Amino acid sequence: DSGVTQTPKHLITATGQRVTLRCSPRSGDLSVYWYQQSLDQGLQFLIQYYNGEERAKGNILERFSAQQFPDLHSELNLSSLELGDSALYFCASSPTSGFGTGELFFGEGSRLTVL
Amino acid sequence: AQSVAQPEDQVNVAEGNPLTVKCTYSVSGNPYLFWYVQYPNRGLQFLLKYITGDNLVKGSYGFEAEFNKSQTSFHLKKPSALVSDSALYFCAVRDVRSSNTGKLIFGQGTTLQVKP
Repeated sequence: DSGVTQTPKHLITATGQRVTLRCSPRSGDLSVYWYQQSLDQGLQFLIQYYNGEERAKGNILERFSAQQFPDLHSELNLSSLELGDSALYFCASSPTSGFGTGELFFGEGSRLTVL
Repeated sequence: AQSVAQPEDQVNVAEGNPLTVKCTYSVSGNPYLFWYVQYPNRGLQFLLKYITGDNLVKGSYGFEAEFNKSQTSFHLKKPSALVSDSALYFCAVRDVRSSNTGKLIFGQGTTLQVKP
C-alpha cells in the first residue's frame, strides 16, 4: 500500500459527460502528479501540483483541468468526454516539488470507460 | 529530448532462469533512472533507482539493475525468476529540464511472463 488513495476505482460514463477523479496523497507529501495510462500512448504525464500551485504541465488536453486543495488532495476534471479518453488515470505523490528522494508513490488508479 | 526506450514489448522466461528487461535512455546531463512494476489491476510500485554511486543497484523483491553510462542503458535483472514476477515493468527517467518538478518520463513498458 503506497498510501496514495484514488477514487473512484472504476467509472463508466457516456461521451460528452464530465467526471471528477479524486486523489489523496501520502501523509506529508506536498506534490501530486497525474498520469494517464492508455494502451496506445503508454504512461503520459498530465500535470503536477505542489502545495496548491501548478508546477509542471504535460500534454494535458484543454478539456481536462486539475486543482489541489488546501488539505492537499487533488481533483482531475475531465469534460466533454470522448471515447479516446478511456484510460487508467493515476495519481502519484512525493514530498517535494523538485527531485527530493526521486521516486513517486502511485495510487491504484481510476479506470475510466467512456461509452 | 529526454526519453527512455524499452525495446521489448514482452519477455518470456522459465521459472528459475535469470531474467533481463532492457532499458536505454537519452538525457542531457546525469541521468536519474527508475524501475517500477505494475501488477494486473494495481498501481505502479517502485522497485529501485539509480542516482549516483555504484553502477549495480539493488532493489525490492530480489531485483537489481545495472547502470551503463557508455551504453546509456539501465537493464533490470534478477538471478532466478519466479512465476509471481509476471507483470508489466516500466523504466523511467527524471525530467531534469526543470528543477521545480520531480516528474518522471516513462518507457512504454515491458510485459514479463515467467512460465512454470
